[in-house]
Amino acid sequence: DQQVKQNSPSLSVQEGRISILNCDYTNSMFDYFLWYKKYPAEGPTFLISISSIKDKNEDGRFTVFLNKSAKHLSLHIVPSQPGDSAVYFCAASARGKTSYDKVIFGPGTSLSVIP
Amino acid sequence: NAGVTQTPKFQVLKTGQSMTLQCAQDMNHEYMSWYRQDPGMGLRLIHYSVGAGITDQGEVPNGYNVSRSTTEDFPLRLLSAAPSQTSVYFCASSPLGYEQYFGPGTRLTVT
Repeated sequence: DQQVKQNSPSLSVQEGRISILNCDYTNSMFDYFLWYKKYPAEGPTFLISISSIKDKNEDGRFTVFLNKSAKHLSLHIVPSQPGDSAVYFCAASARGKTSYDKVIFGPGTSLSVIP
Repeated sequence: NAGVTQTPKFQVLKTGQSMTLQCAQDMNHEYMSWYRQDPGMGLRLIHYSVGAGITDQGEVPNGYNVSRSTTEDFPLRLLSAAPSQTSVYFCASSPLGYEQYFGPGTRLTVT
């Protein structure tokens, strides 16, 4: 049973336009969400995160939105650049107040930014 | 500061053989984890540890053992390799509750 879902295996976007990557989760205990980017033959690298006490977090061209009631988050990349072409993973964990739980990843979305 | 290192980079095993994938970090992170990446499946958590002497199972722990005797090292042992364990394995570390730093991966083929 997948706790973190990314229902679009791939996405193609024109350079300069907005890329929107979506992620859904099922575990209501999750309170910390992260996005990672992965190039072929490399390990994933951290991109941006959001705590459940917020509904938006921005870092340059990257913005993550969180809708807790829908158990949904999205990553917006504006403007998209060819170097953004990579696999993007959504991840979630339950940080809690007294304990820290495992980090679960989604299956990933492969983004292609077309020049 | 090397970050997270993994050895070997590539490995071919025959069915039934055992081996240990090494992972080390020099950032004094409490949390360490092992994932496997398979096409269409994303990154699936095998085992994780929140500190020396503490380990727990992830989503796909069967066929793998771990131990955490020091903060720095978190080896992953395959007791009797099977073709289903052919995958790319990533080790990661982080301070508790923060983003993880990943190693470069080990590509394992079991024939």
